[in-house]
Amino acid sequence: RKEVEQDPGPFNVPEGATVAFNCTYSNSASQSFFWYRQDCRKEPKLLMSVYSSGNEDGRFTAQLNRASQYISLLIRDSKLSDSATYLCAVNSNNFNKFYFGSGTKLNVKP
Amino acid sequence: NAGVTQTPKFRVLKTGQSMTLLCAQDMNHEYMYWYRQDPGMGLRLIHYSVGEGTTAKGEVPDGYNVSRLKKQNFLLGLESAAPSQTSVYFCASEGQGSTDTQYFGPGTRLTVL
Repeated sequence: RKEVEQDPGPFNVPEGATVAFNCTYSNSASQSFFWYRQDCRKEPKLLMSVYSSGNEDGRFTAQLNRASQYISLLIRDSKLSDSATYLCAVNSNNFNKFYFGSGTKLNVKP
Repeated sequence: NAGVTQTPKFRVLKTGQSMTLLCAQDMNHEYMYWYRQDPGMGLRLIHYSVGEGTTAKGEVPDGYNVSRLKKQNFLLGLESAAPSQTSVYFCASEGQGSTDTQYFGPGTRLTVL
C-alpha cells in the first residue's frame, strides 16, 4: 500500500465551480500535512499547510481528518489559473519520512 | 534570497556519459533531497542528506551517487547515464522545525539518448 494516495483525475470543472480533492495517508503517526501546486514543467510549490483545526487562504480551504487519515483541499470559485496538478505531502517528522502523493490534475475550463 | 537553485536546467547526454547536477540552497536548511519525476510516477526519492558530510539512499538510488561537502550544496552524479535515467530531477531542502516542509528547485530536464 502506498504511503500517500490521491485520485489522479483529471477533474474537469467550469470556471466558478467548487471542487474538492482528498488525499489518504497510511501512517497514523504522521504529524505534518501540506498541499503543493505543480504547474506543467515546473517544480512543486507549497500551496498551504494543513493544520488540525483546518486552514483557509482565500478561495482555498484545507482540512485534516485524523480519524479517517485523509486531508482535503477545497477550491471555491475556480479560476482558469487554478488549472494545475495538486500534490499532497505528509511528514512524520523523520528526515526520510516525507511522502508525496502522485498528484491530482485539475482543468478549469471557460 | 534565491531559495533553491539547480544547474543545469537542461541537458542531453549520450548513453555512458557522466554528469553532475548541482543543487544549492541559501536557507541554511539541514536536510536536502534529490527526486526524479516521471510521467504518471510522481516524485521518487533518489538520495537525501541530513547534514553536511552525510548522505543516504532513498527509494531509487541505483545508478546515482551524491555528495554533501558543504551544507548549502547537494550534488547528484550519474556515472554512466542510461536512457532509463531520462527524467526531470528536482532538488529540495527542508528545515528542522516540526512544521517545516520541503522547498523545491526549478528542476533539471535530462535526456539520455
